[in-house]
Amino acid sequence: GENVEQHPSTLSVQEGDSAVIKCTYSDSASNYFPWYKQELGKGPQLIIDIRSNVGEKKDQRIAVTLNKTAKHFSLHITETQPEDSAVYFCAASSGNTPLVFGKGTRLSVIA
Amino acid sequence: IAGITQAPTSQILAAGRRMTLRCTQDMRHNAMYWYRQDLGLGLRLIHYSNTAGTTGKGEVPDGYSVSRANTDDFPLTLASAVPSQTSVYFCASSEGGGRNQPQHFGDGTRLSIL
Repeated sequence: GENVEQHPSTLSVQEGDSAVIKCTYSDSASNYFPWYKQELGKGPQLIIDIRSNVGEKKDQRIAVTLNKTAKHFSLHITETQPEDSAVYFCAASSGNTPLVFGKGTRLSVIA
Repeated sequence: IAGITQAPTSQILAAGRRMTLRCTQDMRHNAMYWYRQDLGLGLRLIHYSNTAGTTGKGEVPDGYSVSRANTDDFPLTLASAVPSQTSVYFCASSEGGGRNQPQHFGDGTRLSIL
């Protein structure tokens, strides 16, 4: 079955700097890759997703890139702000199987 | 506000007791899911339902059961709770029955088994 590895497990950046979180997956049939943000005491919230027919997608300060050949995808947050501090999860799915999540990255943005 | 409602928000339970976690959605989503979240292990799928009347097993189904009598409700039952089931439980839903749809999560139930 699908296996999703996520790195790093923790990440600290200065406010205004960029943050990058990387994930790899094992199932070459996977074609849907969402990213979720989880704030303390809340459930995960979808922030961006990408499908295998595109290589990059942007939404304001957030972007996701996908390399299907290498089976990895990354989340990029530019101009980080304190409110970006949270736990971020990547996930992957082939459509025939449920989403498989990475173990999460705790991002701290230091003011 | 439309979304997913989970109840209770937290519970302390004696080992061996039966417990049902409730989940209700008002978005008319076909698919629903139960996850458990443990420190360092991320979100692991327990059971899912692609549409009312059907259920399936996820990665960690043992000790849990679900039912899907209608579109809106997806309760999770622990028949005889054990300490290893101490966790935070999240319910989620998505449109359609396919897996390539964004999932919407509730705010979780924190369950402690003593």
